Amino acid sequence: QVQLVESGGGVVQPGGSLRLSCAASGFTFSSYGMHWVRQAPGKGLEWVAFIRYDGSNKYYADSVKGRFTISRDNSKNTLYLQMNSLRAEDTAVYYCAKDLGQWLVLWYFDYWGQGTLVTVSS
Amino acid sequence: EIVMTQSPATLSVSPGERATLSCRASQSVSSNLAWYQQKPGQAPRLLIYGASTRATGIPARFSGSGSGTEFTLTISSLQSEDFAVYYCQQYNNWPPCTFGQGTKVEIK
Repeated sequence: QVQLVESGGGVVQPGGSLRLSCAASGFTFSSYGMHWVRQAPGKGLEWVAFIRYDGSNKYYADSVKGRFTISRDNSKNTLYLQMNSLRAEDTAVYYCAKDLGQWLVLWYFDYWGQGTLVTVSS
Repeated sequence: EIVMTQSPATLSVSPGERATLSCRASQSVSSNLAWYQQKPGQAPRLLIYGASTRATGIPARFSGSGSGTEFTLTISSLQSEDFAVYYCQQYNNWPPCTFGQGTKVEIK
């Protein structure tokens, strides 16, 4: 069965950095685009970033552009999110999510990880 | 960026009754709309995509309708496990895809 397991969250000071990982299993990871979606405490969902199945295309929300970098290692079935210059407003649960489309991008998500909490606070 | 607006914010429904949730887009998204269910402490679950196609394993009591700017999610007979927060998401214009703020379905 499909599993997505995030890790790497924690408490970081404003201006600090953190790298999130998402280990995928149960499907052909190298065939699917992947996304990061976040949810601030008690708030709704916000799409953060996308990477194509082969890593050739990446997109970011304006709120994180220039500070966050999405990447993937298909040999390790792992998705990453490098987060730099963190701000208080980046505090959220970060979910990795699998795009439903194989080889093509559909921009909706059929599997989600359990999430990892990032807290930016001094 | 397309703004998605859901109503009502909270819907109080008795078990066995019908629930109707609304989602409006600030401009046309054609039929490129998905619905998700989220229970406390859990990740969202895909219910509907293409405005009306149920995702794998989703019970028939969940149905979606609409196109353009107005969409509806209907739960025909609420079960105890359906009390949750529901989000709509447009994926017609990207990036970014955008979500509504959610509708909480609570027990009346």
